[in-house]
Amino acid sequence: DQQVKQNSPSLSVQEGRISILNCDYTNSMFDYFLWYKKYPAEGPTFLISISSIKDKNEDGRFTVFLNKSAKHLSLHIVPSQPGDSAVYFCAATANTGNQFYFGTGTSLTVIP
Amino acid sequence: DSGVTQTPKHLITATGQRVTLRCSPRSGDLSVYWYQQSLDQGLQFLIQYYNGEERAKGNILERFSAQQFPDLHSELNLSSLELGDSALYFCASSAAGYSSSYNSPLHFGNGTRLTVT
Repeated sequence: DQQVKQNSPSLSVQEGRISILNCDYTNSMFDYFLWYKKYPAEGPTFLISISSIKDKNEDGRFTVFLNKSAKHLSLHIVPSQPGDSAVYFCAATANTGNQFYFGTGTSLTVIP
Repeated sequence: DSGVTQTPKHLITATGQRVTLRCSPRSGDLSVYWYQQSLDQGLQFLIQYYNGEERAKGNILERFSAQQFPDLHSELNLSSLELGDSALYFCASSAAGYSSSYNSPLHFGNGTRLTVT
């Protein structure tokens, strides 16, 4: 049962433009959401997070938006850089449990 | 560098064998999580330990077991290995005991790639 879904396996964006990565979830109990970036042969690296009491969190070029009514979150990268090319995972967790649920990832390619 | 150390990086073994994967968490982190990533799959939660005690269990097979030692390092033991156990195994650590503690994200090691032949 995939409680966190990333429906786009891949995304290509021109350097300097905005990258928008999407994530949907099914469990209304989730209250903490995270994005991770993963390069080949490395573990996922924490990027940015948001709690359910907020609808936006910004850190430099990265902004995460949360739409609780739609059970949807997105990661915006502006401007996109070639070094952003990686696989991006969204994750979510609930205060009723100790699991972090991960999506299957979106492979982002930023074209110079 | 996340500060989480996993050894070995690669492991090749035969079906029916037993292996042990090791993880040292970031300094100060009390929670250790184990995840499995099979080909084209997301990260599947296996088990969590907090300060030496099992805190949560996911889709971990009975052939698999884990423990966290007093020095907080953790080991994942995989026995009676099957071809389908070939995967990347990640360890992650966190400062908090509960996953929804805000500002306590998971920090991952670089994984152990297990190949069962």
